[in-house]
Amino acid sequence: EAGVAQSPRYKIIEKRQSVAFWCNPISGHATLYWYQQILGQGPKLLIQFQNNGVVDDSQLPKDRFSAERLKGVDSTLKIQPAKLEDSAVYLCASSSHGQYEQYFGPGTRLTVT
Amino acid sequence: AQTVTQSQPEMSVQEAETVTLSCTYDTSESDYYLFWYKQPPSRQMILVIRQEAYKQQNATENRFSVNFQKAAKSFSLKISDSQLGDAAMYFCAYRIHSGNTGKLIFGQGTTLQVKP
Repeated sequence: EAGVAQSPRYKIIEKRQSVAFWCNPISGHATLYWYQQILGQGPKLLIQFQNNGVVDDSQLPKDRFSAERLKGVDSTLKIQPAKLEDSAVYLCASSSHGQYEQYFGPGTRLTVT
Repeated sequence: AQTVTQSQPEMSVQEAETVTLSCTYDTSESDYYLFWYKQPPSRQMILVIRQEAYKQQNATENRFSVNFQKAAKSFSLKISDSQLGDAAMYFCAYRIHSGNTGKLIFGQGTTLQVKP
């Protein structure tokens, strides 16, 4: 089966610009996660979707970050406006409802200059 | 709040030898999962092994095994017969067992170098 797809793989923007990342989970996976991984650190959960509803967005900086999951499949994560400290790898993961294992995509490396 | 700590930023091992990566965690929950993930330079996180807290028996997956000490809140990973392909960043992670949240809480990671 196809894995979690993410695009783009790399993105370089200037501070105060906006950027969007896309994720396509494994077919049939109801749960989708976005993690932020700053260089040298472990990933941190930004938001969790169950179908198209938000389960946990407690660590999402809502003044600049937004995410949506239309129709319970694909998801986009947006940053507007970007700050230097947003430079990180953004990982998308998905899991089947009730299952413990999360399957990760290859991530998008964002550099904010 | 739950936390995961990996105190070894870097480790190295000779090919075919055994290495142990350390992890400690803090939680007030009694039922949870613990994981070890591998992240190669390609950045894709790969699940190596998992342990359910209610199980006393240590998990094993081929050359990978864990030493789970629930009272000490310790969860180490042993890699036997190390191979060049084992070189990567390894993350210890925790998640609560109950409820809807599947949030993984990760440690800071340990970079493993395998020397030929």
